[in-house]
Amino acid sequence: NAGVTQTPKFRILKIGQSMTLQCTQDMNHNYMYWYRQDPGMGLKLIYYSVGAGITDKGEVPNGYNVSRSTTEDFPLRLELAAPSQTSVYFCASKGPGTGTSYEQYFGPGTRLTVT
Amino acid sequence: ELKVEQNPLFLSMQEGKNYTIYCNYSTTSDRLYWYRQDPGKSLESLFVLLSNGAVKQEGRLMASLDTKARLSTLHITAAVHDLSATYFCAVDVGSNYQLIWGAGTKLIIKP
Repeated sequence: NAGVTQTPKFRILKIGQSMTLQCTQDMNHNYMYWYRQDPGMGLKLIYYSVGAGITDKGEVPNGYNVSRSTTEDFPLRLELAAPSQTSVYFCASKGPGTGTSYEQYFGPGTRLTVT
Repeated sequence: ELKVEQNPLFLSMQEGKNYTIYCNYSTTSDRLYWYRQDPGKSLESLFVLLSNGAVKQEGRLMASLDTKARLSTLHITAAVHDLSATYFCAVDVGSNYQLIWGAGTKLIIKP
């Protein structure tokens, strides 16, 4: 049981390039989330999904896109990278919102630098 | 605007001392979360507080929630070096468990 996995761990992009950050979970969780964490700051929600085929915007969605074709995978797409997107990106998943399964489980993160 | 404010943002303390981190939030919510993050690492869930008056304890850490005051506290008892980390609180908003996060409290515990 690997939990939440993310690839790549590190990436350097040039301004205007595109890339996809991968996120996979093996816990059969319906809820999945993408966050960014800027240095010395808390997390900001970019997008989230409540199940395959259903996604919605969070606090800071501009410059990003997501898709959710399967329960397991929730990739995050950056189309035209900008220096303001330099950050650490975390993917998280969560089980059904009943009982004790409220907590979100986080992947190891992807450190992205745009220059 | 929804806000979650933690204080202090930085705390340096000696081993063996007690201290409290405060988390204030500006919206109605019955669920509050505490996470720990070690430098360069991911986030680890510490506590989920589900109702007014909830109190949870794990080792030297104890968290409580007062939904009427919109305040949660994380109390550290007889701190040890291994508790050095950044601690975040987050509030559950919306119908899909979206979290609004505080800026984090960086805790350094000196031997």
